[in-house]
Amino acid sequence: GQQVMQIPQYQHVQEGEDFTTYCNSSTTLSNIQWYKQRPGGHPVFLIQLVKSGEVKKQKRLTFQFGEAKKNSSLHITATQTTDVGTYFCAGPVHSGYALNFGKGTSLLVTP
Amino acid sequence: NAGVTQTPKFQVLKTGQSMTLQCAQDMNHEYMSWYRQDPGMGLRLIHYSVGAGITDQGEVPNGYNVSRSTTEDFPLRLLSAAPSQTSVYFCASSYSPKGSYNEQFFGPGTRLTVL
Repeated sequence: GQQVMQIPQYQHVQEGEDFTTYCNSSTTLSNIQWYKQRPGGHPVFLIQLVKSGEVKKQKRLTFQFGEAKKNSSLHITATQTTDVGTYFCAGPVHSGYALNFGKGTSLLVTP
Repeated sequence: NAGVTQTPKFQVLKTGQSMTLQCAQDMNHEYMSWYRQDPGMGLRLIHYSVGAGITDQGEVPNGYNVSRSTTEDFPLRLLSAAPSQTSVYFCASSYSPKGSYNEQFFGPGTRLTVL
């Protein structure tokens, strides 16, 4: 079945540094979604990418979907302490009715 | 709108006990799912439903049952709890994917410990 892998598993940065997490799927994806989970919280939707090579920005966050639609990345510019949390990518499974999540990248930002 | 609600927030069970985790949504979403989250494992799909009366298995369904009698509710039943089921359980719902847009809305989670 579809496998979604994320690297790195953990990342510790100083506030103001940049951060990138990478997501790779074993199969071509119709779309990919990104979620953020704060410590002790629940996953919250960030964005969905659908088109090959798509790039979307949300303030300091930049999301990319690979040309082959098998990989994606999330880049945060000038991290802030509010960026702390775990970032998950997820691909659709079961005809799109549910998601297959990567194991996530946990980001720690120290001031 | 309350969104997706889950009860209880915390639960401790003894091995062999049964219980039901409740999930409800008030957004009239057709699709609902149950995930479990374990340290370092991400979220793994247990069961999902595409509408009232229709359920199917996800990747880790063993030891769990579900039913969907209404659009709003999607309870998860543990028939005989085992320590391996100690986890955080999240319920999620989403719009129809017909428009190829199916953001999942998650509930706050139930933290279950099985002794």
